[in-house]
Amino acid sequence: EVQLVQSGAEVKKPGESLTISCKSSGYSFITYWIGWVRQMPGKGLEWMAIIHPGNSDTRYSPSFQGQVTISADRSISTAYLQWSSLRASDTAMYYCATQYNLPNGYLLGVWGKGTPVTVSS
Amino acid sequence: DIVLTQSPDTLSVSPGERATLSCRASQSVSSSSLAWYQQKPGQAPRLLIYDASTRATGIPDSFSGSGSGTDFTLTISRLEPEDFAVYYCQQYTGSPVTFGGGTKVEIK
Repeated sequence: EVQLVQSGAEVKKPGESLTISCKSSGYSFITYWIGWVRQMPGKGLEWMAIIHPGNSDTRYSPSFQGQVTISADRSISTAYLQWSSLRASDTAMYYCATQYNLPNGYLLGVWGKGTPVTVSS
Repeated sequence: DIVLTQSPDTLSVSPGERATLSCRASQSVSSSSLAWYQQKPGQAPRLLIYDASTRATGIPDSFSGSGSGTDFTLTISRLEPEDFAVYYCQQYTGSPVTFGGGTKVEIK
């Protein structure tokens, strides 16, 4: 079974750093793009970034370029999303999702359950 | 960026009825690179349709997508209780990928 297991809920203060993770199983991690989607409380979906673990190619939405860093560790089939300095406006649910078995890297066919991030002083 | 506008914001439908959701793009979406997702409260989104009209694995044929260029439609032929949810369109013509604001399908 193809699965994405995300790390647990985080509560942080403004200015702190954070890395959340997404561990994949059940498929070849290096074959498919994997990415992150933000959903702020009560709001819609926002595409943030994707990475191809096979060659580390990355694509960012201009809205998130420079604000977050996407990475992947092929040895443990895990993708990451990193902030160096959080803001209150980063409070949201973050989903990882993968292209698995779909014809385009931007399609998100398998999703994790989400990691809630709260940033508050 | 390509802006996707979904309408209506909320659609009130009775179970068993048909629902028609619209997604309009600010510029042409090439190669019909348009997908639809369903999201239920407290759950992650689920891919329903891609390439405008191809159903994803395991999606029932009560869901169908159509359209090209700037106008796309998701049709749910007979609403089941589990179909009441929020639906998002997504264009993936190129980076940045964008989502529409969503249409909530609620029980009438």
